[in-house]
Amino acid sequence: DIQMTQSPSSLSASVGGRVTITCRASQSISSYLNWYQQKPGKAPRLLIYAASSLQSGVPSRFSGSGSGTDFTLTISSLQPEDFATYYCQQSYKIPWTFGHGTKVEIK
Amino acid sequence: EVQLVESGGGLVQPGGSLRLSCAASGFTFSNYWMSWVHQAPGKGLEWVANIKQDGSEKNFVDSVKGRFTISRDNAENSLYLQMNSLRAEDTAVYYCGRIFQTTGFWSGYVYWYFDLWGRGTLVTVSS
Repeated sequence: DIQMTQSPSSLSASVGGRVTITCRASQSISSYLNWYQQKPGKAPRLLIYAASSLQSGVPSRFSGSGSGTDFTLTISSLQPEDFATYYCQQSYKIPWTFGHGTKVEIK
Repeated sequence: EVQLVESGGGLVQPGGSLRLSCAASGFTFSNYWMSWVHQAPGKGLEWVANIKQDGSEKNFVDSVKGRFTISRDNAENSLYLQMNSLRAEDTAVYYCGRIFQTTGFWSGYVYWYFDLWGRGTLVTVSS
C-alpha cells in the first residue's frame, strides 16, 4: 500500500498568515493527489484535485503543488473559517490512502 | 439539491451485521463510481470500498475483504454497505462519497477524487 505522510501533524497560525502543509508519498504517484478540508463533526470537503487544480467554489487563497512523491497545500492568507483539519489522499493505486491529517489551529 | 444521505448506523455486538444505505439525489446516480470511507473516533479518514457505475467492478481495503460487501441500486439511486463479522475496530463514522473522474487537458491522465460527501452515519461495535 502507498503510505501518505503529512507534516506537520498540527500547527498554529494567525489570521492573515501563510500556511504550508506537506504530504509525501511512499512511492511516486504522479499527480494523483487530492486535498480535503474537514471541520469537527462535518464531512470532508474537496479543495484541490490532481495536485494543483482548484475545485469549483473553493477560494483562490488555497493552492496545491507538487508531483511524484512530494506535494504541498498552501493557504496564502488564513481566514477564520480555514481553521480545520486537512487531509491529502492518493488515487494512483488501490487501496486509496489518506494522510493522517494536519490540524490548523488559531494562534 | 445535490446530496448524499447515509442511514443504517447504530450499536451492534462484535460478530454482528449491519447494512448501511446511502440515498443520492439531485444528480444522475448511475453515471458515477461510488465509495464508502470511514473515520474512527478522533482518527483520520480511511477508504473502505468502491463500486463502478453498473456494479461490475468493486474494490475493498484489505481489512474488510470477505466481511463487507458493497452494492448499488441505480433504479433507487441508492448505495449500500453490508457489514458482517463486525469487530470493535470497525467502529467509525461511515461516509458515502461520489467519485468524480476528470481527464487532464495536457497529460491525458484520468484523475479520480471524492467531490461529494454525505454527512455520515455512526457505527459502534461493542458488547
